[in-house]
Amino acid sequence: GAGVSQSPSNKVTEKGKDVELRCDPISGHTALYWYRQSLGQGLEFLIYFQGNSAPDKSGLPSDRFSAERTGGSVSTLTIQRTQQEDSAVYLCASSPDRWGGTDTQYFGPGTRLTVL
Amino acid sequence: SQKIEQNSEALNIQEGKTATLTCNYTNYSPAYLQWYRQDPGRGPVFLLLIRENEKEKRKERLKVTFDTTLKQSLFHITASQPADSATYLCALDMTGRRALTFGSGTRLQVQP
Repeated sequence: GAGVSQSPSNKVTEKGKDVELRCDPISGHTALYWYRQSLGQGLEFLIYFQGNSAPDKSGLPSDRFSAERTGGSVSTLTIQRTQQEDSAVYLCASSPDRWGGTDTQYFGPGTRLTVL
Repeated sequence: SQKIEQNSEALNIQEGKTATLTCNYTNYSPAYLQWYRQDPGRGPVFLLLIRENEKEKRKERLKVTFDTTLKQSLFHITASQPADSATYLCALDMTGRRALTFGSGTRLQVQP
């Protein structure tokens, strides 16, 4: 497909379990971002990958959150020992080229995570 | 601290009127500002980008202004339609952050 895809679209889990959320960016996009959006709220930045540079992890809320990007393409966001406050929509976005560009972002449909 | 503020109250207007949404920011001078549209259950979609040296940018029925003195951007939708009903987010590149920082968005409701 031409757009950013995310899976699963919905995830219900029990408190304390680990979850993995996947993002497939647009082919050729070097930058990839993860955001979190709680109900009725704006986007909260989590982590940013750009090419082979070290990721900007400054938005990760705790050490239970981690993300990796393999081969400069697919990314996985992992939340360990989930808590109820982790319930939110997790959005992934990709961008063609941050450096010298304008960082216009293309978003996926999101994964709705519910922690019971 | 750096902040982006959008009116959290929904904006309700009649079809055919011009909708104007506001984005204010403090303690930063961004190189550019972007506006996105978000529909319920979907990710944001890019609409327009305006650079710091541009006063105004237009795209079809959309117009964005950028006043770096007031630290404010206005987003206008002329001849609004019910299909324009959505949440509109502004975003800037904030100092020290390589990714965009988004405002919380303003929900627009266009009544037929």
